[in-house]
Amino acid sequence: GAVVSQHPSRVICKSGTSVKIECRSLDFQATTMFWYRQFPKKSLMLMATSNEGSKATYEQGVEKDKFLINHASLTLSTLTVTSAHPEDSSFYICSARKAGGYEQYFGPGTRLTVT
Amino acid sequence: GDSVTQMEGPVTLSEEAFLTINCTYTATGYPSLFWYVQYPGEGLQLLLKATKADDKGSNKGFEATYRKETTSFHLEKGSVQVSDSAVYFCALSADSNYQLIWGAGTKLIIKP
Repeated sequence: GAVVSQHPSRVICKSGTSVKIECRSLDFQATTMFWYRQFPKKSLMLMATSNEGSKATYEQGVEKDKFLINHASLTLSTLTVTSAHPEDSSFYICSARKAGGYEQYFGPGTRLTVT
Repeated sequence: GDSVTQMEGPVTLSEEAFLTINCTYTATGYPSLFWYVQYPGEGLQLLLKATKADDKGSNKGFEATYRKETTSFHLEKGSVQVSDSAVYFCALSADSNYQLIWGAGTKLIIKP
């Protein structure tokens, strides 16, 4: 149990367009979801924390108008990269946490390339 | 602020060798410590954890002991296998929201 999926696994988009990444908890209800960005040979950087039905809490330095996060249900959170630029190219990972639990369950990640 | 430092990789070993991946941390409180593993093409998985000083986490032959005096949580395995090839991340959680602070990751390559 505790499987998290992400879609798409890879996406290539043109500069200036927007792209949406989905994160789903397949077999449990996720009251909290996290979005990370992973740079090559670097650690994961937490972008934002979202609780179901609430606005996401963004980490310092993360533009909330650029990285739109929606956690509309207990099994789905979406990250939309708006007006993407080549510097937004990265590996985006989501994780989900059950109510009352501490462990985060991770999705397989989405590789975004902006050309 | 809180931080995690782990040894740079890649670490390349032969099968059945002894493995140590160093991890040290700085934290103002009493964090919980974790090792996560990321196999090629897969998501991060919790490998083991320890929530207080002197606790030993273990799983799949891997062990790590929470050493408060040296602020360390080194990962060890007595005999590695090719299937252990992956990227290993050390992390800590020190706040009530269980947010994780990550090390940079260490790529482990095991050769037959």
